[in-house]
Amino acid sequence: AAGVIQSPRHLIKEKRETATLKCYPIPRHDTVYWYQQGPGQDPQFLISFYEKMQSDKGSIPDRFSAQQFSDYHSELNMSSLELGDSALYFCASSLGLNQPQHFGDGTRLSIL
Amino acid sequence: QKEVEQNSGPLSVPEGAIASLNCTYSDRGSQSFFWYRQYSGKSPELIMFIYSNGDKEDGRFTAQLNKASQYVSLLIRDSQPSDSATYLCAVSTGGGNKLTFGTGTQLKVEL
Repeated sequence: AAGVIQSPRHLIKEKRETATLKCYPIPRHDTVYWYQQGPGQDPQFLISFYEKMQSDKGSIPDRFSAQQFSDYHSELNMSSLELGDSALYFCASSLGLNQPQHFGDGTRLSIL
Repeated sequence: QKEVEQNSGPLSVPEGAIASLNCTYSDRGSQSFFWYRQYSGKSPELIMFIYSNGDKEDGRFTAQLNKASQYVSLLIRDSQPSDSATYLCAVSTGGGNKLTFGTGTQLKVEL
C-alpha cells in the first residue's frame, strides 16, 4: 500500500539558511500534519491542514510556514535556520480529521 | 505535568510473555487514543487505535481504554524480540486534530 512520501530524507544546512521540506500524503488522504522530533524526545505537533486550509497550529516558530496545495501535498518552509532546528521532521496524513494518522519516513535536518 | 504520561522504562519481558504498557492523560475531552511503535531513528508506526471504553483486539495486540480513569493501555501477547522498540501513546486533542504524545516506553523483549 502507498505510504506518506517525504523529501528529502536528509538535509544539511548552515545557520541562517532556508529549507523546504515536502510531503505527499497517502492517496485520498485530505489532512496533513507536521511534527518535529528532537533527539530522545517525543514528536511535537507543528501545524496541520485539512482540505487545503490550516486546521490547527502548535508550537511552530514564526520563522516556519507551511501550506497544502491543490493536489494535497504540503510543504514546510523554514527560514533563518538555527542550531536548535536540527531534528527529525515527520509528516503524517489521515482521511479526515480525528482519524488515525500515518507517518512518513521523515526528513532528518542537520544545521551546522 | 505532561498532558500524556508514560513510564519511560525500559520494560524488559522474556520472549513469549505478555508486555503491558500504560498511559494516562489529563484532558478529559480527549476522544481518540493511539499507540505507535517507533524503532530508533525511524518513523512512528500505527499499532492500534481506540475510541470507546473497553478493549479492542487486533492479533497479538489489545488496547484498553478507561475514560473515567483517563487511562489507556496496550497489551502485547507472545512478545517477540522484534517487538523491542519504543511505544508511544498519543491522544487526539483540540478538536480531534493534533496528536499529543507521551515520552514513550522502551520495551525490550529478551531471548
